[in-house]
Amino acid sequence: EIVMTQSPLSLPVTPGEPASISCRSNQSLLHSNGYNYLDWYLQKPGQSPQLLIYSASKRASGVPGRFSGSASGTDFTLKISRVEAEDVGIYYCMQALQTPFTFGPGTKVDIK
Amino acid sequence: EVQLVQSGAEFKRPGESLKISCKASGYTFSSHWIGWVRQMPGKGLEWMAIIYPSDFDTRYSPSFQGQVTISTDKSISTAYLQWNSLKASDTAIYYCVRGGYFDWTQQYYYDGMDIWGQGTTVTVSS
Repeated sequence: EIVMTQSPLSLPVTPGEPASISCRSNQSLLHSNGYNYLDWYLQKPGQSPQLLIYSASKRASGVPGRFSGSASGTDFTLKISRVEAEDVGIYYCMQALQTPFTFGPGTKVDIK
Repeated sequence: EVQLVQSGAEFKRPGESLKISCKASGYTFSSHWIGWVRQMPGKGLEWMAIIYPSDFDTRYSPSFQGQVTISTDKSISTAYLQWNSLKASDTAIYYCVRGGYFDWTQQYYYDGMDIWGQGTTVTVSS
């Protein structure tokens, strides 16, 4: 089973400022098709999680352009270029390369 | 509109059985796998299992293997998650999700778990 870690676990942010969340896997998530099977999800308070990023860097439909994802080996980063108040919630990374898919512990983002 | 609509909240006693549902609409049900994700109170997300409706291929997390059963009814585009004997530790919100798919050449595509149900709250208490 692939183990996912995230840092930080808590991230106070200032609206208008950038923010970054890191995720690391203990194995490569690189598929034979050349894509890293790493997703990012956001769970806003009281809501179902929603997909933000898949294949490490592809934005899901309807996701604002301020969200971006990148990969370097087994290290993955989600960046928010300018945080908005509506971005608060818990961010999870998840590997989808092999079953069982596994989530990171989550990063709670709130406004300072 | 593509959506997954789950059955309503359940309150059960330990030892009882339960089957919750997830009805898909707006897309070809058999083409995408359906999965289930657990969220215990105040905790993170846990991937439980997936099923491919077209051939009923199922994959379980070791943590949930033997504890739950997933199934589908293609005729009504519905997926199910079932327990034979509930425990208090099964108290959680359960989400169904849509995932990857195969095209006509059997090429697999994965664009994330792009559609989530609204969640079904299961409370198990004596």
